[in-house]
Amino acid sequence: QKEVEQNSGPLSVPEGAIASLNCTYSDRGSQSFFWYRQYSGKSPELIMFIYSNGDKEDGRFTAQLNKASQYVSLLIRDSQPSDSATYLCAVNKNRNTDKLIFGTGTRLQVFP
Amino acid sequence: NAGVMQNPRHLVRRRGQEARLRCSPMKGHSHVYWYRQLPEEGLKFMVYLQKENIIDESGMPKERFSAEFPKEGPSILRIQQVVRGDSAAYFCASSLGTGSPYEQYFGPGTRLTVT
Repeated sequence: QKEVEQNSGPLSVPEGAIASLNCTYSDRGSQSFFWYRQYSGKSPELIMFIYSNGDKEDGRFTAQLNKASQYVSLLIRDSQPSDSATYLCAVNKNRNTDKLIFGTGTRLQVFP
Repeated sequence: NAGVMQNPRHLVRRRGQEARLRCSPMKGHSHVYWYRQLPEEGLKFMVYLQKENIIDESGMPKERFSAEFPKEGPSILRIQQVVRGDSAAYFCASSLGTGSPYEQYFGPGTRLTVT
């Protein structure tokens, strides 16, 4: 079992729709969770992080965390073609090290 | 530009040569992380350093790879006697501190090609 799992996609949504990206993790002791966006050939760009159960909103993005289910998601409202990218979920176990464990990413395609 | 800087952006080495990748963290950041992304694969943690200290090298291959972050100057990831399997994008990230949560910001990466 991978430590961080994501559906590779592609997830295709029409422009203006809500895109829902999901991530599960195996280590129940994981502390904080990050979403990065990576365009092809570019470096990961931090979107947001979450560490408490519930929802956290930042503009068009909402991160949701459910530690009991070991599940974290990212919602993108009013999706735009420019949102088309690979979305990486990363987990920090925060045990004497801040290394991030990444999922393999979900490719999102937003079509006009 | 106060972001994380990496150089070179592209590096071509022949098998058996050495590769040196450099990373300057974001201004004010003293924590540096190196990750590797193989083609069509996810990002894999390699090593976490603070100034003059290696904190976690659990992701670093046991042979040929080394990293340092001296008191002055950038962090260096060194790969000796490169092989074709070392071809990948190497990303450096930096953070302000440790503990949860401190965001890690990534540099543009160095794309290493071994011929």
